[in-house]
Amino acid sequence: DGGITQSPKYLFRKEGQNVTLSCEQNLNHDAMYWYRQDPGQGLRLIYYSQIVNDFQKGDIAEGYSVSREKKESFPLTVTSAQKNPTAFYLCASRPNRAGNQPQHFGDGTRLSIL
Amino acid sequence: GDSVTQMEGPVTLSEEAFLTINCTYTATGYPSLFWYVQYPGEGLQLLLKATKADDKGSNKGFEATYRKETTSFHLEKGSVQVSDSAVYFCAVSQGDSNYQLIWGAGTKLIIKP
Repeated sequence: DGGITQSPKYLFRKEGQNVTLSCEQNLNHDAMYWYRQDPGQGLRLIYYSQIVNDFQKGDIAEGYSVSREKKESFPLTVTSAQKNPTAFYLCASRPNRAGNQPQHFGDGTRLSIL
Repeated sequence: GDSVTQMEGPVTLSEEAFLTINCTYTATGYPSLFWYVQYPGEGLQLLLKATKADDKGSNKGFEATYRKETTSFHLEKGSVQVSDSAVYFCAVSQGDSNYQLIWGAGTKLIIKP
């Protein structure tokens, strides 16, 4: 079955450490997204990419970085510059740029500070 | 800018009660509208969508009608079950070329047996 795979499910970060969250999709979708969700809150957009080798900052990009070297993959790095990284991170993808297409989500990665 | 306003939660109902979760939006052009559901510890799942005025999206007993005149997309279900307990998000696609989704804050639904 096609879908979005996020790994790991749980991740712990030490002070001053960079960590990378994986997101892979086999849906042949062009666009991919990273969201952050804090407890009891909605979704906030970190980065998005509409095509390979191109990505744009979302509303809360500071302290995060991404790459889009392959259509299937959109890894997110949480850098040491992100002082409050504890959150639930969700990756999503979308077939194309048409507005009537929904986003499809992975099961998320929960990041905590050690 | 574009925005989505959802009913604040938590919403607590008894099993078999009628559910309404309000969602209103501001957007330019002709956005598409979506309802997503999130179960504890999981990602979001698309529940239903509507792409033009007066369209009714439906799935698993849930319904929502795209009301352009009132800029609303209220979620309804005639008889809720304990298994419907989750967080529900309303989202609107932006009318510009980025086609980003604008998200509501989410409404937590608790169904008591």
